[in-house]
Formats: sequence, C-alpha cells, structure tokens
Amino acid sequence: NAGVMQNPRHLVRRRGQEARLRCSPMKGHSHVYWYRQLPEEGLKFMVYLQKENIIDESGMPKERFSAEFPKEGPSILRIQQVVRGDSAAYFCASSGADNYGYTFGSGTRLTVV
Amino acid sequence: SQQGEEDPQALSIQEGENATMNCSYKTSINNLQWYRQNSGRGLVHLILIRSNEREKHSGRLRVTLDTSKKSSSLLITASRAADTASYFCATVSGSARQLTFGSGTQLTVLP
Repeated sequence: NAGVMQNPRHLVRRRGQEARLRCSPMKGHSHVYWYRQLPEEGLKFMVYLQKENIIDESGMPKERFSAEFPKEGPSILRIQQVVRGDSAAYFCASSGADNYGYTFGSGTRLTVV
Repeated sequence: SQQGEEDPQALSIQEGENATMNCSYKTSINNLQWYRQNSGRGLVHLILIRSNEREKHSGRLRVTLDTSKKSSSLLITASRAADTASYFCATVSGSARQLTFGSGTQLTVLP
C-alpha cells in the first residue's frame, strides 16, 4: 500500500503559467482533501472531493483555482495564471468511509518566479 | 479564523525532558487529532482523541481533552532529538469531514 502519492514534489512556474498538482489517494480511499500551507503557518483547508463530485470547496479561492477527482485517475488541483502569492506547499489527504483515517501525502511545493 | 490555536508557538528543551503543547479551539468537535511535521515534509498522524474521551496514550505521547474548556494538550515524555518538528492540532466538527488546523508549535529538542 503506497499511501497517498503526490506529484510533482517540487514545481516551479513563472507568473501567468498554469500549475497542475496531482494526488493519488490511498488504495480503498474515496475521499480526497486539498490543503495549502504557507511558510511558517498551519494547513488551510481548500477543497473536499469524492469521486466525480466536489463536496465542499469553501476554502478555494473564487478565481483561478479548480479541483477535480475523476472516476479514473488521480485528483488534480489546477491553478491558472499563477501569481507569486500562490507559492506554498500543497498537501493532499485521503480517507475512507469514516472521519478518522486521514493519510497525508508528502506535498507539492510550488514556487512561482 | 483559526479553529485551533497552539501554544507555545515555539518550545526548546533538552533531550530527556518532557514537552507539553496546548491547543484551544472554538466550536464543538467530533474529534481532535495531533500531527507532526518535520521541516519540509508531509504530516504524520500521531494520535486521535474523540470528543467523549478525556485522555489517551500512545507510547511516549499523552493527549488530554477538556471539552468544557475547548482545549487539548499533547505531552511528549523523555524527549529525543528526533522529536524536533512542528506539531499541529486539528479538529473535525459537525458534519464536516475536513480537518481544521491550528498554527502549530515548533519543538526543538537539544541533544
């Protein structure tokens, strides 16, 4: 069981480009959560998805950010027209049917130059 | 606003000493969890305590929960240099499934 896999580990984008972050949940987990962590801060919830559905996106910025979790394949967090303020570590977590079994990936560190 | 707030923000102790970190939260919770994050790495789940529990142990970790004060503490006994990391509390509330994190305590254990 490989756990939650995120890729890439590090991503550098120029301002205005698009960033695509991928997350494959743990085997058997159908719930995926994305969090963002700014330097020296805690994690902030962004979005919660189940297969093919966005359940809660209350933490997502209204523009430029989107997320999906298709029937096949990993969950994708997409940031369009990146700005310097998007530089952060983005973590994905997955869980099974209950509230308790969260497993985090190692994160993607996005740097916008 | 932060659901969980840890204090202290930073803690430095000698190896072998005990480390205590506190977490306060604002709303009713289903459970409270503690995580560790080594510098530049992902989060590792340490322990979960449900709202109807008052104390829980796991190895050198002891967690307490006081729902009347909306607070929790994490005690690490006989600390080791390898315990150096940031420690976060996170809560799950109501029907929501996502975790709400505090701002963390940076623990440094000096050899």
